[in-house]
Amino acid sequence: DAKTTQPNSMESNEEEPVHLPCNHSTISGTDYIHWYRQLPSQGPEYVIHGLTSNVNNRMASLAIAEDRKSSTLILHRATLRDAAVYYCILSQAGNNRKLIWGLGTSLAVNP
Amino acid sequence: GAGVSQSPSNKVTEKGKDVELRCDPISGHTALYWYRQSLGQGLEFLIYFQGNSAPDKSGLPSDRFSAERTGGSVSTLTIQRTQQEDSAVYLCASSSPTVSLYTQYFGPGTRLTVL
Repeated sequence: DAKTTQPNSMESNEEEPVHLPCNHSTISGTDYIHWYRQLPSQGPEYVIHGLTSNVNNRMASLAIAEDRKSSTLILHRATLRDAAVYYCILSQAGNNRKLIWGLGTSLAVNP
Repeated sequence: GAGVSQSPSNKVTEKGKDVELRCDPISGHTALYWYRQSLGQGLEFLIYFQGNSAPDKSGLPSDRFSAERTGGSVSTLTIQRTQQEDSAVYLCASSSPTVSLYTQYFGPGTRLTVL
């Protein structure tokens, strides 16, 4: 199974954009890229997912490199409620049962 | 609507005892997942149910762990003869492939402590 690499921690200031990187150099052509986040003492929460093209939704944007070996989750204006652990995960098309979860990036947001 | 619920929220047990953890998925969700999260770690896949198909049990760490899903809804994860290394947060998630194949909705988890 392809794995992802993320920085252990990042820090941002409130109302500033945040770019969370993820490397997945062994990604296969059919792997989807998912992002989830986990707030303290809560279960993970879906953020966004994509395959090849950049994606936008209410929560964030996902920028996928042309070679798909890396991606970046973009929070356009960080709020204190965005402080969480962000997980970048790969799954095979039609088989998201076995999402391989790494340690994620712990994002701190300063007021 | 109601999200995924899990009970109990916390469970403290003695080594060697059996425990049952319950998950109520979102109504209508045919897929259900169990994960385990040890302190400071990512999630570890345990088992997956999809409709009436045979469950994918490939993530269960030992034969002390079992799970069932009755009537395609509520699921129970059972750990027999608990060990201290079983202490973790057990998370349940559900999804609806007809709505969004790739979105899993998680419950708040059950924190299990084995003394």
